Amino acid sequence: GAGVSQSPSNKVTEKGKDVELRCDPISGHTALYWYRQSLGQGLEFLIYFQGNSAPDKSGLPSDRFSAERTGGSVSTLTIQRTQQEDSAVYLCASSSPRGRRTQYFGPGTRLLVL
Amino acid sequence: SQKIEQNSEALNIQEGKTATLTCNYTNYSPAYLQWYRQDPGRGPVFLLLIRENEKEKRKERLKVTFDTTLKQSLFHITASQPADSATYLCALVPSWYGGSQGNLIFGKGTKLSVKP
Repeated sequence: GAGVSQSPSNKVTEKGKDVELRCDPISGHTALYWYRQSLGQGLEFLIYFQGNSAPDKSGLPSDRFSAERTGGSVSTLTIQRTQQEDSAVYLCASSSPRGRRTQYFGPGTRLLVL
Repeated sequence: SQKIEQNSEALNIQEGKTATLTCNYTNYSPAYLQWYRQDPGRGPVFLLLIRENEKEKRKERLKVTFDTTLKQSLFHITASQPADSATYLCALVPSWYGGSQGNLIFGKGTKLSVKP
């Protein structure tokens, strides 16, 4: 079946511009996660959605970062007024209600802020 | 402070040998620990999960151990092959999430290279 998809696969933007990154989770997966991976670093948790519950935003690095999940499915991560230090790979993952401890990752969006 | 560390950034071994990767954590009491494989340009792929009350878990050529006293997990690949070359990440869920799904805390990964 279809896995987690993310778009765009690559994004180059200028400092100060806003960007939107999209994640389509696996159908039926109620949990959705956003992570950031900088070069040579581990995955950094950003935000977690579970069903209709309030999202866990504890990992968002600043108020320039926000995310929403519409209809319990697709999610958009928005970075406003991008900075060069925002350059990284942004990964989305989802997990099912039954196998909730296994996360399925998308291929990521590579963001470069010039 | 809370940390999860994979003590080797890179590990080079010869084909056919057993690769052993280490994951250490401090100031966590994880409910369970996971291992993922990540290939260049791709997202991580789940390999194995081991619970705090399990000492060992196996899957084909993979074996994971979990020592909550040492606060350490070991990941073994036996009869390694060049196709096993990748970055391997350990991740844990802090036990205060009480078994419900929460965010994973990832190590930085160990890049394994298996030479033919």
